[in-house]
Amino acid sequence: DIQMTQSPSSLSASVGDRVTITCQASQDISNYLNWYQQKPGKAPKLLIFDASNLKTGVPSRFSGSGSGTDFTFTISSLQPEDFATYYCQHYHNLPYNFGQGTKLEIK
Amino acid sequence: EVHLVQSGAEVKKPGESLKISCKGSGYSFNAYWIAWVRQMPGKGLDWMGIVYPGDSDTRYSPSFQGQVTISADRSINTAYLQWSSLKASDSAMYYCALGSGYYDYWGQGALVTVSS
Repeated sequence: DIQMTQSPSSLSASVGDRVTITCQASQDISNYLNWYQQKPGKAPKLLIFDASNLKTGVPSRFSGSGSGTDFTFTISSLQPEDFATYYCQHYHNLPYNFGQGTKLEIK
Repeated sequence: EVHLVQSGAEVKKPGESLKISCKGSGYSFNAYWIAWVRQMPGKGLDWMGIVYPGDSDTRYSPSFQGQVTISADRSINTAYLQWSSLKASDSAMYYCALGSGYYDYWGQGALVTVSS
């Protein structure tokens, strides 16, 4: 199985801040990497697929980059609605494991 | 419009069986993989497995192989996740999700509570 390691596990930030989350795969996954946002009591929402492709309708302050084993997810200017937990997920081969999540909290 | 609607919350005792469902609409049900994802209380997302309703091809994470059964009935556009003998550690929220690799659509989740 490919293991996905996210960092940090939690992060405190303020509205307007730029934040970056990293995700490292235990082996080369090319660009088969997705990012999701989950708010309490809700299902996850896809934000970015194939490492850097923004899902239609997702604000442009969200972005992703990387390939191979190292990936980053960035929010350029935090908005109040962005405080949530974020997960990376690969789909290079089965099982399509998720990272452990990064909880983004208000400072 | 695509929708995945899951069955409701369940409260079961250890050792009981359970089958939860996920009904798809607004798209060609046979043509897309459906995944099941577990979320234990206060924890992250665990990928369990997938089913392709078109031919019932099913794949499991090694962590869940033999612990659950994933299936689909394309005649009623519904996917299933079932247990033959529940354990307390199966208590979790279970989501179905649509897609081949990335999951664009998700069900609302089904909370399963296993307690004596």
